[in-house]
Amino acid sequence: KQEVTQIPAALSVPEGENLVLNCSFTDSAIYNLQWFRQDPGKGLTSLLLIQSSQREQTSGRLNASLDKSSGRSTLYIAASQPGDSATYLCAVNQGAQKLVFGQGTRLTINP
Amino acid sequence: SAVISQKPSRDICQRGTSLTIQCQVDSQVTMMFWYRQQPGQSLTLIATANQGSEATYESGFVIDKFPISRPNLTFSTLTVSNMSPEDSSIYLCSVDDVGYTFGSGTRLTVV
Repeated sequence: KQEVTQIPAALSVPEGENLVLNCSFTDSAIYNLQWFRQDPGKGLTSLLLIQSSQREQTSGRLNASLDKSSGRSTLYIAASQPGDSATYLCAVNQGAQKLVFGQGTRLTINP
Repeated sequence: SAVISQKPSRDICQRGTSLTIQCQVDSQVTMMFWYRQQPGQSLTLIATANQGSEATYESGFVIDKFPISRPNLTFSTLTVSNMSPEDSSIYLCSVDDVGYTFGSGTRLTVV
């Protein structure tokens, strides 16, 4: 059974710092991995999608990497801003419409 | 990617009543997914809705409690029936487009 773990559970940093969020998964037979952002009480916004054959994806200040063999992904946020404060979720797609989520990292960027 | 309109965005309901949540997609999709996010938890898949057939429910979720309709390829509803305070959660619909896209969520509080 696939299990997805995100570390740390919460992170608080001053504005301007670069930071890394971690996601690990137990079964490397994945279709793709997706990073989402969730604001309190709201839905999910897709940030980056990495196919199983890819090593990384970039969008603006965000960069996500994938090491499928070791079961790890990282989300790198450069030059953090207060507006980046949210919960970040990674989700592994194993095909057959099975999306397995981690518990999320609650990020706070302090002005 | 697809755009999903979900409503209501939030509601406060009396126990024993039912609430129907609607999701409209701006393109035709074969499958729509319904998730629940309990307070402080990650997302759990409730069911998968195919147009023209009965929804497929995950373990722990039953049709009598969460009836789903899928009348066409762009629309679906989820009803939360005979509600109790334990049903207080965020409910989200989703489609698998280029990666997964989620609706904005329905924040349900049962009193």
